Amino acid sequence: DIVMTQSPDSLAVSLGEGATINCKSSQSVLNSSNNKNSLAWYQQKAGQPPRLLISWTSTREPGVPDRFSGSGSGTDFTLTISSLQAEDVAVYYCQQYLSTPRAFGPGTKVDIK
Amino acid sequence: QVQLVQSGAEVKKPGASVKVSCKASGYTFTNYNIQWVRQATGQGPEWMGWMNPNSANTDYEQKFKGRLTMTRDTSISTAYMELSGLRSEDTAVYYCARGNGAMGYWGQGTLVTVSS
Repeated sequence: DIVMTQSPDSLAVSLGEGATINCKSSQSVLNSSNNKNSLAWYQQKAGQPPRLLISWTSTREPGVPDRFSGSGSGTDFTLTISSLQAEDVAVYYCQQYLSTPRAFGPGTKVDIK
Repeated sequence: QVQLVQSGAEVKKPGASVKVSCKASGYTFTNYNIQWVRQATGQGPEWMGWMNPNSANTDYEQKFKGRLTMTRDTSISTAYMELSGLRSEDTAVYYCARGNGAMGYWGQGTLVTVSS
């Protein structure tokens, strides 16, 4: 099974400043059929289901602000929020979907400093 | 618009079973897998398994095998998740989600409480 880890566990950032969340998979999540990494990022606010922000490492979902960006390859991935807004306070999870079980990372809580 | 609407909260005794429904609308039900994810209070999401509504093929996380059953009724575009042999640690919000890989649409969640 692929195991996902994230760092940091939490971070506090001033409004307008950038935030970076790291995600690491225990093995490659490269999909050989399309040469894309099967890595997604979700945002979860209190009392709500997770919301898909990014799929295939870097493809933003429709309606997701462009201050959110994803990057990485192989086993190391990053979610960057370029300019934190108040509405970005949430827990962020990465997830691999190359193989089952489709494990999530443990999450990174983002707060305002 | 795509919607997944789940059944309401359940309270069950240890050893009982629970069946949660997930009614899909706004798209062709058989074109996308339905995945089930649960989340205990204060914990991260836990992937449980997926079902192909067209073929009814399923793939369950190993820890749930023998207790978990995913089914569907294509005539009413509804997926079901049944978990048997409930124990206190199964208390969680259970979500259905649409997606063959990443999950772009989620139900609102169903709280299942297991308590004697």
